[in-house]
Amino acid sequence: GAGVSQSPRYKVAKRGQDVALRCDPISGHVSLFWYQQALGQGPEFLTYFQNEAQLDKSGLPSDRFFAERPEGSVSTLKIQRTQQEDSAVYLCASSVGPVGPAYEQYFGPGTRLTVT
Amino acid sequence: GENVEQHPSTLSVQEGDSAVIKCTYSDSASNYFPWYKQELGKGPQLIIDIRSNVGEKKDQRIAVTLNKTAKHFSLHITETQPEDSAVYFCAASKGTGGFKTIFGAGTRLFVKA
Repeated sequence: GAGVSQSPRYKVAKRGQDVALRCDPISGHVSLFWYQQALGQGPEFLTYFQNEAQLDKSGLPSDRFFAERPEGSVSTLKIQRTQQEDSAVYLCASSVGPVGPAYEQYFGPGTRLTVT
Repeated sequence: GENVEQHPSTLSVQEGDSAVIKCTYSDSASNYFPWYKQELGKGPQLIIDIRSNVGEKKDQRIAVTLNKTAKHFSLHITETQPEDSAVYFCAASKGTGGFKTIFGAGTRLFVKA
């Protein structure tokens, strides 16, 4: 089947605007991860879902960042009142999960967010 | 805090030569060490992984070694080809008890034809 998809692929927001980034994981994958990747850097963990439960949100940089996965499939990462430092590629990954040894994460292509 | 250091940041090799990328991690509870390849405009793709109960793993031209005592792990690519040119990331996670994956900063590999 299809891999992980993300939309939009590119987003330009003016400083102060709210944005919503969507992730469609591989069907049936229990685990879902969000990462932030700054230019020239490795992905940085933001948050983790197991089905609809957000089990780890320790990587969210501020309370302007909010993620949800209400039905245990599609997930949305919302950033309120965007700042220039939020400019980055936001990656979503899913894995079979749910517990036990870490499973292979399949990444989407990312959403490149530019805040002007 | 948890940290993964990766070097070199850039590596240029001639086609057919070997390439080695090294990583160290700080959290001794880490037990899963994947390596990802990222091409321009794409998400990272897993190329090989190793778990803490294994010292070495090989898959065709790619091999990974793990030294848990020293908290080092390395990626070895033999007989490099131009299509191996990409950015490579190492990562570490604890699996059970924590799903946070910590990535290195990446190595940009250039394979010259």
